[in-house]
Amino acid sequence: GQNIDQPTEMTATEGAIVQINCTYQTSGFNGLFWYQQHAGEAPTFLSYNVLDGLEEKGRFSSFLSRSKGYSYLLLKELQMKDSASYLCAVSGVIYNQGGKLIFGQGTELSVKP
Amino acid sequence: EAGVAQSPRYKIIEKRQSVAFWCNPISGHATLYWYQQILGQGPKLLIQFQNNGVVDDSQLPKDRFSAERLKGVDSTLKIQPAKLEDSAVYLCASSFPGVGYGYTFGSGTRLTVV
Repeated sequence: GQNIDQPTEMTATEGAIVQINCTYQTSGFNGLFWYQQHAGEAPTFLSYNVLDGLEEKGRFSSFLSRSKGYSYLLLKELQMKDSASYLCAVSGVIYNQGGKLIFGQGTELSVKP
Repeated sequence: EAGVAQSPRYKIIEKRQSVAFWCNPISGHATLYWYQQILGQGPKLLIQFQNNGVVDDSQLPKDRFSAERLKGVDSTLKIQPAKLEDSAVYLCASSFPGVGYGYTFGSGTRLTVV
């Protein structure tokens, strides 16, 4: 089976840095995704990690440790518009054979002035 | 490129009624997914298509839910009869069958069953 855990909610201050953790247990692994979802909107793709290490994209970075079943999303220089739900999702089968994503419950981030 | 199109955007029905949702994926995306997202939770996969074939429907409540993708492009998800607990956002997503692209989601259909 597959299990993905992330904190339910977090609060941070505008301009600060926040780290959202995700741990997973899957029967197979072919990549971990992070999505951002604003209230009432569809999830949008943020990052993809399949190898261990840090991937950086502007203010957002994502880290993966496959041996520990652990990932984090790092948001720097927080802005009010970053208030959203952040979804961790794991692909547990070979992606190019039609892999499906299993999502965690999402972490609701509130950015305060 | 055009995104994933879904309709309707909102739907309110009474329990035991029927409802259908439509999805048009991004051109060239062979894989199409339907997810159910209950308020405060992450999306839960209902069914996955590869072209017009079903890859995974293990979490689809088949006594009331059905889905099809007859020509390998558009897809329809139906609920008959609806229950109160079906109130959720139904998200359609599509992707290339390759790594690293992630899904592209449609805006979703918000269903309220009263």
